[in-house]
Amino acid sequence: QQQVKQSPQSLIVQKGGISIINCAYENTAFDYFPWYQQFPGKGPALLIAIRPDVSEKKEGRFTISFNKSAKQFSLHIMDSQPGDSATYFCAASRTTDKLIFGTGTRLQVFP
Amino acid sequence: NAGVTQTPKFQVLKTGQSMTLQCAQDMNHNSMYWYRQDPGMGLRLIYYSASEGTTDKGEVPNGYNVSRLNKREFSLRLESAAPSQTSVYFCASKPGSYGYTFGSGTRLTVV
Repeated sequence: QQQVKQSPQSLIVQKGGISIINCAYENTAFDYFPWYQQFPGKGPALLIAIRPDVSEKKEGRFTISFNKSAKQFSLHIMDSQPGDSATYFCAASRTTDKLIFGTGTRLQVFP
Repeated sequence: NAGVTQTPKFQVLKTGQSMTLQCAQDMNHNSMYWYRQDPGMGLRLIYYSASEGTTDKGEVPNGYNVSRLNKREFSLRLESAAPSQTSVYFCASKPGSYGYTFGSGTRLTVV
């Protein structure tokens, strides 16, 4: 019940395209769903997060879509840029509890 | 600069040697965490401290010990290093709720 499953493991997108990364969770008590972005040699950094009372949250080119009934959430990167090339982790938790991370998606955006 | 500071950034150990990874945060966060990151495995929780004076095991605690020295500092000790502990180690902290702030990591190689 504690797992967060993330797919795909790697993703190659052309510049200007849409990158989509999916995650699924099992624990219905989770109420906080963040996405982290990690560049090589750096620690993960919070990118965007959503709570289950909304179905979508947008910040610039990054959008989280949330489907509570399916227990799934996804990250959409619109107009993908080479600078977006990084590893992306989804995560889930109860608000005050420790995060459970997905296994990560390595995104490569080619010009 | 505010944030999470980890030392050292790189370390090579021989099998059986011991070492302590240091972590300090200056954001007055209550909770602190130690994760290891391995290819294809995502971020796995080793130990965490929900508040000063408390520590708990995470998903992969074997071979490690921790000390929450005060509210700012949370150290991770390897008593007898093994090649399986070759990894990148991240410390993170968070306030009572919401997301983590990660350090920049310690890359550890055990030969």
